[in-house]
Amino acid sequence: QKEVEQNSGPLSVPEGAIASLNCTYSDRGSQSFFWYRQYSGKSPELIMSIYSNGDKEDGRFTAQLNKASQYVSLLIRDSQPSDSATYLCAEAPGRRALTFGSGTRLQVQP
Amino acid sequence: DARVTQTPRHKVTEMGQEVTMRCQPILGHNTVFWYRQTMMQGLELLAYFRNRAPLDDSGMPKDRFSAEMPDATLATLKIQPSEPRDSAVYFCASGFSGTGTDEQYFGPGTRLTVT
Repeated sequence: QKEVEQNSGPLSVPEGAIASLNCTYSDRGSQSFFWYRQYSGKSPELIMSIYSNGDKEDGRFTAQLNKASQYVSLLIRDSQPSDSATYLCAEAPGRRALTFGSGTRLQVQP
Repeated sequence: DARVTQTPRHKVTEMGQEVTMRCQPILGHNTVFWYRQTMMQGLELLAYFRNRAPLDDSGMPKDRFSAEMPDATLATLKIQPSEPRDSAVYFCASGFSGTGTDEQYFGPGTRLTVT
């Protein structure tokens, strides 16, 4: 069983809408969670990190963490075509190397 | 502009040849990671160094892969002999362990094709 689960998508949303990306993880000991954005043919780019329960906002991005449910999400407000990419969720179990989900492909339709 | 750099960016080689990939972590970072990405397997951890010491290389085929950090500014990943199934994008990432953040920053990757 993969330790970090994501729906592969594609998730299609219209421009200006809110995109909601979800991720579940299996290691209850994980303390750190990350969202990376990866454009086709490019390397993963860190866009959000979250360490405690609740919401963390950065511009149009909001990360949400619920450790009791072992659930992490990323909301993208006012989605733009330039947000079209694959979004990778990652956890750091016990401060070891990151474990990545397989990614959700987001398509923002103009 | 602090970035992880990797060379070469692209490598095409024949089966059986040796391949060496290099990575320069961000100055001041003390952790270095090697990942491999394929369509089928996604991102897989190959090796992990902290303060130049190898901490985890369980994801690496030991008979053909080796990873080293000759100094704090250079990490290498070597494949000898290479096989077609090694074709993938190899990413190096660096971070700083000690602040509790575990954030990692990726280099541009080396796209390896073994024919």
